Amino acid sequence: AQSVTQPDARVTVSEGASLQLRCKYSYFGTPYLFWYVQYPRQGLQLLLKYYPGDPVVQGVNGFEAEFSKSNSSFHLRKASVHWSDWAVYFCAVSMKDSGTYQRFGTGTKLQVVP
Amino acid sequence: DMKVTQMPRYLIKRMGENVLLECGQDMSHETMYWYRQDPGLGLQLIYISYDVDSNSEGDIPKGYRVSRKKREHFSLILDSAKTNQTSVYFCASSLSQGRGNTLYFGEGSRLIVV
Repeated sequence: AQSVTQPDARVTVSEGASLQLRCKYSYFGTPYLFWYVQYPRQGLQLLLKYYPGDPVVQGVNGFEAEFSKSNSSFHLRKASVHWSDWAVYFCAVSMKDSGTYQRFGTGTKLQVVP
Repeated sequence: DMKVTQMPRYLIKRMGENVLLECGQDMSHETMYWYRQDPGLGLQLIYISYDVDSNSEGDIPKGYRVSRKKREHFSLILDSAKTNQTSVYFCASSLSQGRGNTLYFGEGSRLIVV
């Protein structure tokens, strides 16, 4: 089935350390991919999105992601994590069936420790 | 002000009661969505609305129906709620059906069915 998989339910990093959150996609054709962030008691907000083109995409708050067709991946990265990055991160793929919608992964909870 | 508003934010209902969750957006977006979020499952698509009176089932439509009589308003209805419908429900909107369009989310409606 066409979908995205986030293999890590929880990731813990030290403040100031680098971060990578993993996302693998399964899609027939050219995928449009997204990363969203969910802060406690809030809805999801867009971090960045990938259109076919440059494989490295810049987002808000220092986040970036790299698309890899050979690895079927769209991993999220940040060079230096801040305590305010503590949140749940969702990867999503845009589906085109009878209509267009986004299918989400199960999410990765990021915990930031001192 | 780009905003998706959900009402009510919190709701407790008895099994068998009817539930109405309401969503409004002020961006004149064509497309609106209802998702539910459960631990370990991420977000699952219930229904999509492409415009007024133009609705389509998502991945998990059973037990739900929707209504969209005005472009800015999209309702989710549970006729005879069940305990397994306890969840957090998110409404989202996007400009149109374009594959690269961002989804804008409300803050969620937490429903408990006892």
